[in-house]
Amino acid sequence: SQKIEQNSEALNIQEGKTATLTCNYTNYSPAYLQWYRQDPGRGPVFLLLIRENEKEKRKERLKVTFDTTLKQSLFHITASQPADSATYLCAPLVSGTYKYIFGTGTRLKVLA
Amino acid sequence: DTEVTQTPKHLVMGMTNKKSLKCEQHMGHRAMYWYKQKAKKPPELMFVYSYEKLSINESVPSRFSPECPNSSLLNLHLHALQPEDSALYLCASSQVGGGTSGANVLTFGAGSRLTVL
Repeated sequence: SQKIEQNSEALNIQEGKTATLTCNYTNYSPAYLQWYRQDPGRGPVFLLLIRENEKEKRKERLKVTFDTTLKQSLFHITASQPADSATYLCAPLVSGTYKYIFGTGTRLKVLA
Repeated sequence: DTEVTQTPKHLVMGMTNKKSLKCEQHMGHRAMYWYKQKAKKPPELMFVYSYEKLSINESVPSRFSPECPNSSLLNLHLHALQPEDSALYLCASSQVGGGTSGANVLTFGAGSRLTVL
């Protein structure tokens, strides 16, 4: 069966450091991978999308990589700030389907 | 308008009650979704509507009954729920893009917090 695992349930880092979150998937071949941020009691908010033929995507302090051989995506937040504290969710997506399934999530806490 | 609006924000119901959750969007999105989220867990997909037709049902118990009366509205009818159904229910919408559907991002509402007594 398909599995999407984010390797750290919780991650604490110091302000100013780079946070690296991992998303690993098994038993399917997504054409896209999306990352979302969720704050407590709120719905997830879209951050970045990367396609299978793209190795890397950047947006301001965010960077996403997508390795279809390793079946893994890495999500980086550089110069992290306490306001970046939230749960981050990945969602690998097979082309032609609306089955948006989320990974297990990583709760990031940036310490001042 | 780039919002998904969910009502009510909070709902408390008994196991014999019938209630409904409502979701509305005016972004012209033709795919709408219901997710269930328990504490410290990721959202779990329940239903997907595409062009007002049910396209995905993730084996959800029949005590949850979705309805999509038009392209802007999505309802979730609740009947004879169990205490373990208490959760945050999230509605989302997206554009439809056929073969490129994975490139369409989800826009979520703030959720309806359901408590079943």
